[in-house]
Amino acid sequence: NAGVTQTPKFQVLKTGQSMTLQCAQDMNHNSMYWYRQDPGMGLRLIYYSASEGTTDKGEVPNGYNVSRLNKREFSLRLESAAPSQTSVYFCASSGAGVQNTEAFFGQGTRLTVV
Amino acid sequence: QQQVKQSPQSLIVQKGGISIINCAYENTAFDYFPWYQQFPGKGPALLIAIRPDVSEKKEGRFTISFNKSAKQFSLHIMDSQPGDSATYFCAARMNSGYSTLTFGKGTMLLVSP
Repeated sequence: NAGVTQTPKFQVLKTGQSMTLQCAQDMNHNSMYWYRQDPGMGLRLIYYSASEGTTDKGEVPNGYNVSRLNKREFSLRLESAAPSQTSVYFCASSGAGVQNTEAFFGQGTRLTVV
Repeated sequence: QQQVKQSPQSLIVQKGGISIINCAYENTAFDYFPWYQQFPGKGPALLIAIRPDVSEKKEGRFTISFNKSAKQFSLHIMDSQPGDSATYFCAARMNSGYSTLTFGKGTMLLVSP
């Protein structure tokens, strides 16, 4: 059972470089999310997609863009990486409706910007 | 403004002891309160969750206590084991149509042998 798959697992970028973090889920979930996790800060929502074709900003969207490519895939792009974006990034997905509240997380992408 | 406040930041408990982690929330529109467990190098995973129509939910050694009037909820881990050593996050979600989870800042639990 793959669940939520993120690629890559690790990445080092130089300041100003761009990259795209990939996420795919195989649970037929409508909603997908991108979080970042920093020490002592918990999980902060960057962007989310309630359903295919829609995206919305979360708590910390500056410096990021997202694309909901199809129902399975939700990518996060850093156009010009900054050291402040050094973090662990998690993709998650959940089903539709108030009863489908459990969010399933991927294994994370550890990004270092130097 | 942090909507879900979690304490303590870290906790050390002896094997067999009780681990208690507390969370408080501001928004009365929250109606779903999960706890997530995260091991090093892994993503968070749902541990147990509660809705405000009950005051307690128990699953094995894990219990959520919920106090709606005080806007507080807590996780109790009975007979704590070294394998419970992980980071625990509380979270909350609103009941209006579609909404996302708001997480606390996490508690790093270490259960000493």
